Amino acid sequence: DAKTTQPPSMDCAEGRAANLPCNHSTISGNEYVYWYRQIHSQGPQYIIHGLKNNETNEMASLIITEDRKSSTLILPHATLRDTAVYYCIVRGLNTGTASKLTFGTGTRLQVTL
Amino acid sequence: DGGITQSPKYLFRKEGQNVTLSCEQNLNHDAMYWYRQDPGQGLRLIYYSQIVNDFQKGDIAEGYSVSREKKESFPLTVTSAQKNPTAFYLCASSGPSSGNTIYFGEGSWLTVV
Repeated sequence: DAKTTQPPSMDCAEGRAANLPCNHSTISGNEYVYWYRQIHSQGPQYIIHGLKNNETNEMASLIITEDRKSSTLILPHATLRDTAVYYCIVRGLNTGTASKLTFGTGTRLQVTL
Repeated sequence: DGGITQSPKYLFRKEGQNVTLSCEQNLNHDAMYWYRQDPGQGLRLIYYSQIVNDFQKGDIAEGYSVSREKKESFPLTVTSAQKNPTAFYLCASSGPSSGNTIYFGEGSWLTVV
């Protein structure tokens, strides 16, 4: 699986959009970009994933560059509850196999009043 | 509700004792995973299983053992051979019913004294 690079930490004011970048310059054509977040002492929570088109769900939006070498997770209106470590992961989906997730150290997002 | 249940949430054991962590899922997922997380670190894969009666070593399998006798269950045994067993352990699962997205349980804290 391709490796990802994320800033170690970011701050965001409550109510503002949080834009979390991720670099995955070695991504291959059949690999998806996944985002998870982890609040202290809890299991990681799935947020969103995409292949090449931008994606949006009730939690966030995912913007993937045209060359697919980087992406941005957008939390449109951050709240204090969004304070967590955010992981960007690249993962292939091979039919018939358990395609595992390889975690880096993520970005620690601190949402402030 | 469908989900992944890990138990116990907190476990204390004496050094040299084996301990088994439970993981049950009712999502009808074929694949199941065990990860380990140390404080301030990302997750590392211990073992994963694609199907009943089959499992593969992950990146840090030494000192651990698993079984997969039922689709719903994937228990992890931390043996006395594991040199630094104190950690946060996370179970996960994935399957076609969830688009092969990996979902996590809430984790188990193991402290060896």
